[in-house]
Amino acid sequence: DIPLTQSPSTLSASVGDRVTITCRASHTINRWLAWYQHRPGKAPKLLIYDASSLQSGVPSRFSGSGSGTEFTLTISSLQPDDFGTYYCHQYHSYSYNFGQGTRLEIK
Amino acid sequence: QIHLVQSGAEMKKPGASVKVSCKASGYTFTRNYLHWVRQAPRQGLEWMAIFNPSDGRTNFAPKFQGRLTLTRDTSASTVYMELSDLRSDDTAIYYCARDVERALDHWGQGTLVTVSS
Repeated sequence: DIPLTQSPSTLSASVGDRVTITCRASHTINRWLAWYQHRPGKAPKLLIYDASSLQSGVPSRFSGSGSGTEFTLTISSLQPDDFGTYYCHQYHSYSYNFGQGTRLEIK
Repeated sequence: QIHLVQSGAEMKKPGASVKVSCKASGYTFTRNYLHWVRQAPRQGLEWMAIFNPSDGRTNFAPKFQGRLTLTRDTSASTVYMELSDLRSDDTAIYYCARDVERALDHWGQGTLVTVSS
């Protein structure tokens, strides 16, 4: 696989804040990256695919950017429902793995 | 509506095997790959394998090679994940997930597998 490093590992922010999570790949993965939200007791939810495409039904406050080895997930105005752990996931060359996760807490 | 429904929680002893099912509905079963992902307690998501329901071909994460078997019953739109030689660190929630252009757009509800003597 291609190791992914997310930062920060934990994040505490207030409702209305702009939040950015970074995912770095050890080798280029072009734009083969997705972002998921995982809340306790629920299945992970796809937010962004192909680095910047918004999954159907996901609020537009979520956006993704980047290519190659550096990617970001941005929440433009944090809402109470946005707590949980966020994972990046690469799918380059039929090798798959997740980042270690970023735990987002609402202040 | 697309659904992936998994079988219920399992409790196994070390060295045993577990078989978890994932039944798909709401789309053509053979048209999309299925993945298996797990999450151990207090750990992140771990990708395990990808399965092609059309021809049964599989690609495993190296750490599961030799212990993981994926099969399907096409008539029942169901994929089965069997993990053998269970250890305590296999205790986890196991998810199946549908692949759409390699991202995972629908997930099962998860199956808790507990390995304990």
